[in-house]
Amino acid sequence: AQKVTQAQTEISVVEKEDVTLDCVYETRDTTYYLFWYKQPPSGELVFLIRRNSFDEQNEISGRYSWNFQKSTSSFNFTITASQVVDSAVYFCALSEATSGTYKYIFGTGTRLKVLA
Amino acid sequence: KAGVTQTPRYLIKTRGQQVTLSCSPISGHRSVSWYQQTPGQGLQFLFEYFSETQRNKGNFPGRFSGRQFSNSRSEMNVSTLELGDSALYLCASSSGRRETQYFGPGTRLLVL
Repeated sequence: AQKVTQAQTEISVVEKEDVTLDCVYETRDTTYYLFWYKQPPSGELVFLIRRNSFDEQNEISGRYSWNFQKSTSSFNFTITASQVVDSAVYFCALSEATSGTYKYIFGTGTRLKVLA
Repeated sequence: KAGVTQTPRYLIKTRGQQVTLSCSPISGHRSVSWYQQTPGQGLQFLFEYFSETQRNKGNFPGRFSGRQFSNSRSEMNVSTLELGDSALYLCASSSGRRETQYFGPGTRLLVL
Protein backbone atom coordinates (compact mmCIF):
# COMPACT_ATOMS: atom_id res chain seq x y z
CA ALA A 1 0.00 0.00 0.00
CA GLN A 2 1.14 3.53 -0.64
CA LYS A 3 2.34 5.57 2.30
CA VAL A 4 4.26 8.75 3.01
CA THR A 5 6.09 9.21 6.30
CA GLN A 6 7.31 12.51 7.66
CA ALA A 7 8.82 11.51 10.96
CA GLN A 8 9.62 15.05 12.07
CA THR A 9 6.50 16.59 13.57
CA GLU A 10 8.02 19.94 14.38
CA ILE A 11 11.42 21.56 13.86
CA SER A 12 12.63 24.84 15.30
CA VAL A 13 15.70 26.58 13.95
CA VAL A 14 17.26 29.99 14.31
CA GLU A 15 17.26 32.22 11.28
CA LYS A 16 20.10 31.54 8.82
CA GLU A 17 20.48 27.94 9.91
CA ASP A 18 20.11 25.18 7.34
CA VAL A 19 17.30 22.69 7.89
CA THR A 20 16.39 19.38 6.23
CA LEU A 21 12.88 17.97 6.17
CA ASP A 22 12.69 14.21 5.74
CA CYS A 23 10.21 12.27 3.62
CA VAL A 24 10.10 8.50 3.17
CA TYR A 25 7.56 6.89 0.86
CA GLU A 26 6.22 3.43 0.09
CA THR A 27 4.75 2.36 -3.22
CA ARG A 28 4.55 -0.69 -5.44
CA ASP A 29 4.08 1.39 -8.56
CA THR A 30 7.01 1.73 -10.92
CA THR A 31 5.84 5.12 -12.13
CA TYR A 32 4.99 7.68 -9.51
CA TYR A 33 5.37 11.33 -8.66
CA LEU A 34 6.60 13.00 -5.53
CA PHE A 35 5.77 16.51 -4.39
CA TRP A 36 6.50 19.04 -1.70
CA TYR A 37 3.93 21.62 -0.68
CA LYS A 38 4.13 24.45 1.81
CA GLN A 39 1.14 25.43 3.93
CA PRO A 40 1.40 28.85 5.59
CA PRO A 41 -1.08 29.85 8.32
CA SER A 42 -3.52 31.07 5.66
CA GLY A 43 -4.18 27.42 4.80
CA GLU A 44 -3.49 27.29 1.08
CA LEU A 45 -1.13 24.56 -0.06
CA VAL A 46 1.61 26.12 -2.16
CA PHE A 47 3.32 23.87 -4.69
CA LEU A 48 7.12 23.75 -4.36
CA ILE A 49 8.43 20.89 -6.47
CA ARG A 50 7.52 17.73 -8.36
CA ARG A 51 9.76 14.77 -9.09
CA ASN A 52 9.02 11.84 -11.40
CA SER A 53 10.12 8.38 -10.34
CA PHE A 54 12.35 7.98 -13.38
CA ASP A 55 14.23 11.21 -12.74
CA GLU A 56 16.57 11.00 -9.77
CA GLN A 57 18.35 14.25 -10.45
CA ASN A 58 18.59 16.42 -7.42
CA GLU A 59 17.41 19.97 -7.79
CA ILE A 60 18.34 23.33 -6.39
CA SER A 61 16.12 26.36 -6.59
CA GLY A 62 17.47 29.35 -4.76
CA ARG A 63 17.66 28.46 -1.08
CA TYR A 64 15.71 25.24 -1.64
CA SER A 65 17.16 21.90 -2.65
CA TRP A 66 15.74 18.41 -2.94
CA ASN A 67 17.46 15.04 -2.65
CA PHE A 68 15.58 12.17 -4.29
CA GLN A 69 16.96 8.67 -3.65
CA LYS A 70 14.99 5.70 -4.95
CA SER A 71 17.33 3.25 -3.20
CA THR A 72 16.15 4.51 0.18
CA SER A 73 12.68 5.67 -0.96
CA SER A 74 13.41 9.14 0.31
CA PHE A 75 12.72 12.62 -1.00
CA ASN A 76 14.27 15.08 1.42
CA PHE A 77 13.97 18.86 1.30
CA THR A 78 16.65 21.27 2.50
CA ILE A 79 16.31 24.98 3.12
CA THR A 80 19.62 26.79 3.40
CA ALA A 81 19.96 30.02 5.31
CA SER A 82 16.42 29.76 6.64
CA GLN A 83 14.29 32.87 7.04
CA VAL A 84 11.33 33.67 9.25
CA VAL A 85 9.09 33.64 6.16
CA ASP A 86 9.91 29.95 5.75
CA SER A 87 7.86 29.19 8.86
CA ALA A 88 5.02 26.94 7.73
CA VAL A 89 3.90 23.33 7.61
CA TYR A 90 5.55 21.37 4.83
CA PHE A 91 3.91 18.36 3.25
CA CYS A 92 5.42 15.61 1.14
CA ALA A 93 3.01 13.79 -1.20
CA LEU A 94 2.99 10.76 -3.46
CA SER A 95 0.89 10.17 -6.57
CA GLU A 96 0.84 6.78 -8.24
CA ALA A 97 0.50 6.63 -12.02
CA THR A 98 0.64 2.96 -12.85
CA SER A 99 -2.46 2.16 -10.85
CA GLY A 100 -4.28 4.96 -12.63
CA THR A 101 -5.54 6.64 -9.49
CA TYR A 102 -3.32 9.75 -9.41
CA LYS A 103 -4.74 10.73 -6.05
CA TYR A 104 -2.24 12.35 -3.73
CA ILE A 105 -1.22 10.59 -0.54
CA PHE A 106 0.12 13.14 1.90
CA GLY A 107 2.45 12.75 4.81
CA THR A 108 1.43 14.16 8.17
CA GLY A 109 3.49 17.28 7.62
CA THR A 110 6.44 18.91 9.37
CA ARG A 111 5.88 22.21 11.12
CA LEU A 112 8.93 24.42 10.66
CA LYS A 113 9.46 27.35 12.98
CA VAL A 114 12.22 29.76 12.09
CA LEU A 115 13.07 32.04 14.97
CA ALA A 116 14.51 35.51 14.46
CA LYS B 1 -3.68 33.44 -14.65
CA ALA B 2 -6.03 33.40 -11.70
CA GLY B 3 -5.55 30.59 -9.21
CA VAL B 4 -8.05 28.13 -7.83
CA THR B 5 -10.89 29.87 -6.04
CA GLN B 6 -13.14 28.40 -3.41
CA THR B 7 -16.33 29.74 -1.94
CA PRO B 8 -17.28 30.33 0.74
CA ARG B 9 -14.07 30.70 2.69
CA TYR B 10 -15.72 30.17 6.06
CA LEU B 11 -18.90 28.40 7.02
CA ILE B 12 -20.65 27.58 10.27
CA LYS B 13 -23.38 24.95 10.26
CA THR B 14 -25.20 22.86 12.84
CA ARG B 15 -25.42 19.09 13.05
CA GLY B 16 -27.91 17.57 10.64
CA GLN B 17 -27.71 20.39 8.11
CA GLN B 18 -26.21 20.05 4.68
CA VAL B 19 -23.60 22.18 2.98
CA THR B 20 -22.40 22.84 -0.56
CA LEU B 21 -18.89 24.05 -1.29
CA SER B 22 -17.78 25.46 -4.61
CA CYS B 23 -14.48 25.34 -6.47
CA SER B 24 -13.45 27.15 -9.64
CA PRO B 25 -10.30 25.67 -11.15
CA ILE B 26 -7.51 27.45 -12.94
CA SER B 27 -8.61 28.38 -16.44
CA GLY B 28 -7.99 25.46 -18.79
CA HIS B 29 -7.73 22.87 -16.03
CA ARG B 30 -10.11 19.96 -16.41
CA SER B 31 -9.27 17.89 -13.37
CA VAL B 32 -10.54 18.86 -9.92
CA SER B 33 -9.79 17.00 -6.71
CA TRP B 34 -11.11 17.55 -3.21
CA TYR B 35 -9.32 16.91 0.08
CA GLN B 36 -10.33 17.13 3.71
CA GLN B 37 -7.81 18.35 6.26
CA THR B 38 -8.30 17.79 9.99
CA PRO B 39 -5.81 17.88 12.88
CA GLY B 40 -6.46 14.23 13.65
CA GLN B 41 -6.53 12.65 10.20
CA GLY B 42 -4.39 15.05 8.23
CA LEU B 43 -4.97 15.53 4.52
CA GLN B 44 -7.28 12.93 3.05
CA PHE B 45 -8.44 12.51 -0.52
CA LEU B 46 -12.18 12.84 -1.07
CA PHE B 47 -12.73 12.54 -4.81
CA GLU B 48 -11.49 13.54 -8.24
CA TYR B 49 -13.45 14.75 -11.23
CA PHE B 50 -12.25 14.93 -14.80
CA SER B 51 -14.42 16.00 -17.71
CA GLU B 52 -17.53 15.90 -15.53
CA THR B 53 -16.92 12.30 -14.47
CA GLN B 54 -15.90 11.11 -11.05
CA ARG B 55 -12.67 9.19 -11.65
CA ASN B 56 -11.72 8.32 -8.13
CA LYS B 57 -13.23 8.36 -4.68
CA GLY B 58 -11.65 8.24 -1.26
CA ASN B 59 -12.82 6.33 1.77
CA PHE B 60 -15.62 8.62 2.92
CA PRO B 61 -19.27 7.86 3.63
CA GLY B 62 -21.96 8.47 1.05
CA ARG B 63 -22.90 11.72 2.79
CA PHE B 64 -20.02 13.24 0.87
CA SER B 65 -20.75 13.76 -2.79
CA GLY B 66 -19.62 15.99 -5.58
CA ARG B 67 -20.07 16.93 -9.18
CA GLN B 68 -18.33 18.79 -11.94
CA PHE B 69 -19.91 21.05 -14.50
CA SER B 70 -19.10 21.47 -18.17
CA ASN B 71 -17.00 24.56 -17.38
CA SER B 72 -14.92 22.39 -14.99
CA ARG B 73 -16.24 24.13 -11.89
CA SER B 74 -16.93 21.66 -9.14
CA GLU B 75 -19.12 21.45 -6.09
CA MET B 76 -19.03 19.12 -3.16
CA ASN B 77 -21.94 18.45 -0.88
CA VAL B 78 -22.05 17.07 2.62
CA SER B 79 -25.44 16.01 3.91
CA THR B 80 -26.50 15.36 7.49
CA LEU B 81 -23.49 17.12 8.93
CA GLU B 82 -21.69 15.64 11.92
CA LEU B 83 -19.35 17.34 14.37
CA GLY B 84 -16.47 15.37 12.87
CA ASP B 85 -17.02 17.01 9.50
CA SER B 86 -15.48 20.20 10.85
CA ALA B 87 -12.39 20.62 8.70
CA LEU B 88 -10.59 22.60 6.06
CA TYR B 89 -11.81 21.45 2.65
CA LEU B 90 -9.27 21.98 -0.10
CA CYS B 91 -9.88 21.90 -3.79
CA ALA B 92 -7.09 21.35 -6.30
CA SER B 93 -7.02 21.58 -10.06
CA SER B 94 -4.66 20.28 -12.71
CA SER B 95 -4.48 20.41 -16.48
CA GLY B 96 -4.53 16.63 -16.68
CA ARG B 97 -4.73 13.67 -14.38
CA ARG B 98 -0.95 13.16 -14.43
CA GLU B 99 -0.19 16.82 -13.93
CA THR B 100 0.63 18.78 -10.80
CA GLN B 101 -2.31 19.80 -8.64
CA TYR B 102 -2.63 23.42 -7.59
CA PHE B 103 -4.63 24.12 -4.49
CA GLY B 104 -7.14 26.77 -3.57
CA PRO B 105 -7.30 28.61 -0.24
CA GLY B 106 -9.81 26.16 1.18
CA THR B 107 -13.17 26.42 2.91
CA ARG B 108 -13.13 26.19 6.70
CA LEU B 109 -16.27 24.41 7.86
CA LEU B 110 -17.28 24.42 11.51
CA VAL B 111 -20.12 22.15 12.56
CA LEU B 112 -21.73 22.98 15.89
